Amino acid sequence: QQQVRQSPQSLTVWEGETAILNCSYEDSTFDYFPWYWQFPRESPALLIAIRPVSNKKEDGRFTIFFNKREKKLSLHITDSQPGDSATYFCAASPYNQGKLIFGQGTKLSIKP
Amino acid sequence: AQTIHQWPVAEIKAVGSPLSLGCTIKGKSSPNLYWYWQATGGTLQQLFYSITVGQVESVVQLNLSASRPKDDQFILSTEKLLLSHSGFYLCAWGQGANERLFFGHGTKLSVL
Repeated sequence: QQQVRQSPQSLTVWEGETAILNCSYEDSTFDYFPWYWQFPRESPALLIAIRPVSNKKEDGRFTIFFNKREKKLSLHITDSQPGDSATYFCAASPYNQGKLIFGQGTKLSIKP
Repeated sequence: AQTIHQWPVAEIKAVGSPLSLGCTIKGKSSPNLYWYWQATGGTLQQLFYSITVGQVESVVQLNLSASRPKDDQFILSTEKLLLSHSGFYLCAWGQGANERLFFGHGTKLSVL
């Protein structure tokens, strides 16, 4: 069954620390892994994405680390800011299909 | 610029009553269109996707149906609402498979 799992369910870090959000999947046909973030009372929006040809993708303070062999990836947020407080969803898509499967989400809170 | 509009913004309906939710995309030709459902505080569950007019693929069975009567319009409906249909319904568009999704502002549905 196609599943995407995230951990932890919730995470609190102090401002300036690095937050690490984890994601794992089962289906080896997945070949696109976006992370979306969602602020309260808003719709999700794409934050950063990676494809299995790479094992790392950086965008400013946000970095995805990807381990294809273990079917795991993680999102690192360095120098966390209160404005980063949101729910983060890891998602995965099989090649060239119209499906995008989301994980359960990690609720991140940054304490000032 | 592309815009996505969902209607209505919110609905309160009785169990057993019919439902129709709509989504219109402007400024993008032949987009892939998606319907997602999100329970309060929950993950995003893909319901349907469509790559062209008149063609809709179902991802999960939730006693809902979808139609794409025009290139820029996607409709979600049911003839009989269940309590379990309550939640947040999000329409999204993407340019192709494994590409960024842009979500609308959503419709909050309460079934009583």
